[in-house]
Amino acid sequence: ETGVTQSPTHLIKTRGQQVTLRCSSQSGHNTVSWYQQALGQGPQFIFQYYREEENGRGNFPPRFSGLQFPNYSSELNVNALELDDSALYLCASSRDNFHEQYFGPGTRLTVT
Amino acid sequence: GDSVTQMEGPVTLSEEAFLTINCTYTATGYPSLFWYVQYPGEGLQLLLKATKADDKGSNKGFEATYRKETTSFHLEKGSVQVSDSAVYFCALPSGGYNKLIFGAGTRLAVHP
Repeated sequence: ETGVTQSPTHLIKTRGQQVTLRCSSQSGHNTVSWYQQALGQGPQFIFQYYREEENGRGNFPPRFSGLQFPNYSSELNVNALELDDSALYLCASSRDNFHEQYFGPGTRLTVT
Repeated sequence: GDSVTQMEGPVTLSEEAFLTINCTYTATGYPSLFWYVQYPGEGLQLLLKATKADDKGSNKGFEATYRKETTSFHLEKGSVQVSDSAVYFCALPSGGYNKLIFGAGTRLAVHP
């Protein structure tokens, strides 16, 4: 059984640019959640996708957006990058939206 | 709203010492409770869980008991190893769509 995978592993962007992060969910999982983990802090919930629809959103501005595809993989898009967007972005998948979540290794984004 | 409070780290122990990491929570109802572990440079791994009051979750020598009376879910291990060095996060699901609320994390360093 393949676990949750994310790409790329690391990314460096300039303030004002746009970025797309990708996540492949674990086999059999139809729900993907995205989290932002700033250095030294716990992960913060960005949003969740369940069967291709946004199913909940945390306290993040609209420049954070996402998609979920028919195979349940997902993208996180961030526009107009700011320095404070530098963080580890974690994707987690689950079977339906009421089961425990399994995390990928994360994408480390650095904004300069 | 729902929240999780963890003891501050870092926690530094010698190999084979006893470990306790405190976690208390505030929540509506009686949600499942989780401990996740993050090894250096990696994503989060589910360590153990408990789904109802008085449940004891256990894995890899770690244990935690869901205490409704004290709203706590303290993590314990009888004899830590150097390989247990990591950051530990207590978490609970919140909202109808099961987003995870994390504590700030507790860094554990075990030395030989």
